[in-house]
Amino acid sequence: AQKITQTQPGMFVQEKEAVTLDCTYDTSDPSYGLFWYKQPSSGEMIFLIYQGSYDQQNATEGRYSLNFQKARKSANLVISASQLGDSAMYFCAMREGPNTGNQFYFGTGTSLTVIP
Amino acid sequence: GAVVSQHPSWVICKSGTSVKIECRSLDFQATTMFWYRQFPKQSLMLMATSNEGSKATYEQGVEKDKFLINHASLTLSTLTVTSAHPEDSSFYICSARRTGGLGNEQFFGPGTRLTVL
Repeated sequence: AQKITQTQPGMFVQEKEAVTLDCTYDTSDPSYGLFWYKQPSSGEMIFLIYQGSYDQQNATEGRYSLNFQKARKSANLVISASQLGDSAMYFCAMREGPNTGNQFYFGTGTSLTVIP
Repeated sequence: GAVVSQHPSWVICKSGTSVKIECRSLDFQATTMFWYRQFPKQSLMLMATSNEGSKATYEQGVEKDKFLINHASLTLSTLTVTSAHPEDSSFYICSARRTGGLGNEQFFGPGTRLTVL
């Protein structure tokens, strides 16, 4: 089974609107970390936000927030007030176990296009 | 935040030659580094886990004799693509785990774009 599933290959959003990028995960480990990365056309992986499995509150970082629904095993990324510079590929990732040295599992990504 | 560099950022080589890619953690020590490969419009696929001072752990289907990994110090890991062929053309990304870091402490390099002619 896929560890990380991103069902939206492409998304469009109007500038200044909010957009939600979906991510579901599969693990039996009680300790895990969930991540979102942005990859512009340059290829660099830009860390956006992190959610630990034991975190009680949803993570937020500026315009990014993570809608963590543990029972549903979903970790959707919400981008508020979209900007043209937000156009990029977005990857959801998971690290199983408490060890930060464990590998990441990546989803297939969602291509976001912000329309002026 | 912590910085990871990769060198070169892009490389073009002839088929049959070997190419070395360096991954450096610039301001922290990294016991563990990871090497990923990304084909166009696809996700990152883990190739191997590199641990300082020991042999790398390769993922299933990755040829260890073709993709040589050396993690000789706490700040440097190298990936050598030996006898490169056009199908090895890809975007190679490394990431580094900061020793003793928190749950989100794994940092990615900017990637190396390899084109084999």
